[in-house]
Amino acid sequence: GAVVSQHPSRVICKSGTSVKIECRSLDFQATTMFWYRQFPKQSLMLMATSNEGSKATYEQGVEKDKFLINHASLTLSTLTVTSAHPEDSSFYICSAQLIAGPYNEQFFGPGTRLTVL
Amino acid sequence: AQSVAQPEDQVNVAEGNPLTVKCTYSVSGNPYLFWYVQYPNRGLQFLLKYITGDNLVKGSYGFEAEFNKSQTSFHLKKPSALVSDSALYFCAVTDSGYALNFGKGTSLLVTP
Repeated sequence: GAVVSQHPSRVICKSGTSVKIECRSLDFQATTMFWYRQFPKQSLMLMATSNEGSKATYEQGVEKDKFLINHASLTLSTLTVTSAHPEDSSFYICSAQLIAGPYNEQFFGPGTRLTVL
Repeated sequence: AQSVAQPEDQVNVAEGNPLTVKCTYSVSGNPYLFWYVQYPNRGLQFLLKYITGDNLVKGSYGFEAEFNKSQTSFHLKKPSALVSDSALYFCAVTDSGYALNFGKGTSLLVTP
């Protein structure tokens, strides 16, 4: 149980286009999902917290107009990279929070590799 | 504020030998500690966690970790390393059930 999927797994796009990445909790409902970004050989950096039915909370330094997050349902959050540029190329990982017990555990998706040409 | 330190960029160990990947943390409240493993171009795979209770936590693939409150450490260990254990390992902490704070990662290389 507690499986999180991401789609697509890889995407290559031209500079200036927008790309949407989906994060789905397959067998549980998640009121909260998180979006992380990982550069090569570096750690995961939290970009934003996605809350179902409300606006996302962005970490300092993350442009909310560039990285649009929509948590449309209890099983789906989307991250749209608008007007993508080569510096947006990265590995994007989402997680979904399962509320159970004293700690609300996160389950991670397999990641999406974005390459902007 | 919360933070995690993984002091080693890389750990090298021969197959069959014990391995240790170090992690220390800093939180203001009670820590919830996690270890994840990442293979190239893959997402994170959960290994184990400490929430409360027994300080020695056993996880997936024969890994274990010991929570040491006085030393604020949560080192990952395995008695006998396998070549297939070679990967990137992340320690993470939270004190609120909110988003995780990850260490920079430690690359483990197990040689035959």
